Amino acid sequence: DAGVTQSPTHLIKTRGQQVTLRCSPISGHKSVSWYQQVLGQGPQFIFQYYEKEERGRGNFPDRFSARQFPNYSSELNVNALLLGDSALYLCASSEGVHSNQPQHFGDGTRLSIL
Amino acid sequence: SQQGEEDPQALSIQEGENATMNCSYKTSINNLQWYRQNSGRGLVHLILIRSNEREKHSGRLRVTLDTSKKSSSLLITASRAADTASYFCATDAEGAQKLVFGQGTRLTINP
Repeated sequence: DAGVTQSPTHLIKTRGQQVTLRCSPISGHKSVSWYQQVLGQGPQFIFQYYEKEERGRGNFPDRFSARQFPNYSSELNVNALLLGDSALYLCASSEGVHSNQPQHFGDGTRLSIL
Repeated sequence: SQQGEEDPQALSIQEGENATMNCSYKTSINNLQWYRQNSGRGLVHLILIRSNEREKHSGRLRVTLDTSKKSSSLLITASRAADTASYFCATDAEGAQKLVFGQGTRLTINP
């Protein structure tokens, strides 16, 4: 079975631009979460979506937004990019929203801001 | 902000030795999880331990949890070169699946 897939794998943008990152969860998983991982740090939670509704939001500015589609895939949008947005963006899926369910991560999108 | 801190930040051992990594966290939890991340890849779930459990095993992995000290440890026995990776603990202190990760331990296994 396919794991969590993310696209694109790498992306280079300039300051002020906008970016859309995409994630397809494992088949049957209804929950998708997004994390930002700056080099040398642990991942930081951005959003969680379950059944197309936002279930959690981390401490990120309104420039960050996301949505989940009827097929449970998800997009993360970042507007007005800053140099500090350079990071690995990870998507994780799980069957539900309970904390006792492990999350399955994709390999991420590496975003570089010039 | 990071909930937990892993210790040590980096660990280098010889193949066949045991590796121990520690994690401390700040607030009460329902579960604690350990993940592995190979360079440039996503995180792989290793093991989940509930707050009412003290020890859990999975293959060569042994995890302990001390809620009174708000700490956990991950022991990898008989290490292999393929165990070279960064290891992260993650807690659900802020609810549901909003996992809060530490900064990780970079483990290097020398052949």
